[in-house]
Amino acid sequence: KQEVTQIPAALSVPEGENLVLNCSFTDSAIYNLQWFRQDPGKGLTSLLLIQSSQREQTSGRLNASLDKSSGRSTLYIAASQPGDSATYLCAVESQGNLIFGKGTKLSVKP
Amino acid sequence: DTGVSQNPRHKITKRGQNVTFRCDPISEHNRLYWYRQTLGQGPEFLTYFQNEAQLEKSRLLSDRFSAERPKGSFSTLEIQRTEQGDSAMYLCASSFSQAYGYTFGSGTRLTVV
Repeated sequence: KQEVTQIPAALSVPEGENLVLNCSFTDSAIYNLQWFRQDPGKGLTSLLLIQSSQREQTSGRLNASLDKSSGRSTLYIAASQPGDSATYLCAVESQGNLIFGKGTKLSVKP
Repeated sequence: DTGVSQNPRHKITKRGQNVTFRCDPISEHNRLYWYRQTLGQGPEFLTYFQNEAQLEKSRLLSDRFSAERPKGSFSTLEIQRTEQGDSAMYLCASSFSQAYGYTFGSGTRLTVV
């Protein structure tokens, strides 16, 4: 059974710092991995999608990497801003649907 | 196309009542998913449609829950005889194919009092 773990559960950083969020999964047989952002009480906004054959994807200040063999992904956020404060969710497409971690709650202090 | 639309945004109901939620996916997406999210947890899979066919249901989907997708367009999720434990955010997502990932709606927050 696929399980997704995200570390840390919460992170607080001062504005301008670069940071890394971690995601690990137990079964390397995945189709893709997707990072989402969720603001309090809202739905999910897709940030980056990495296919299983890819190693990384970039969008603006965000860079996500995937190491399928070790079951790990990282989301790198450069020059963090207060507007980046949200919960970040990692999900793998496995066994026919998306399986999520519990998320990392990020707070960027001005 | 404005993305995945869910209605209502919020629903407060008394225990024992029935509720129905609606999801309108992105029009060209043939795959539609329902998820449930409780506070502090990641979303959990409930059920999946490809066109009008319901292809998979989670064990979380008790017999009080039913989902439909008539004509392969919008979908409804009905909960009968609601319980306090049903209080959660219900999320709908649609997808064109695995190569394009999932697009989620804003969710319906259900509170059972």
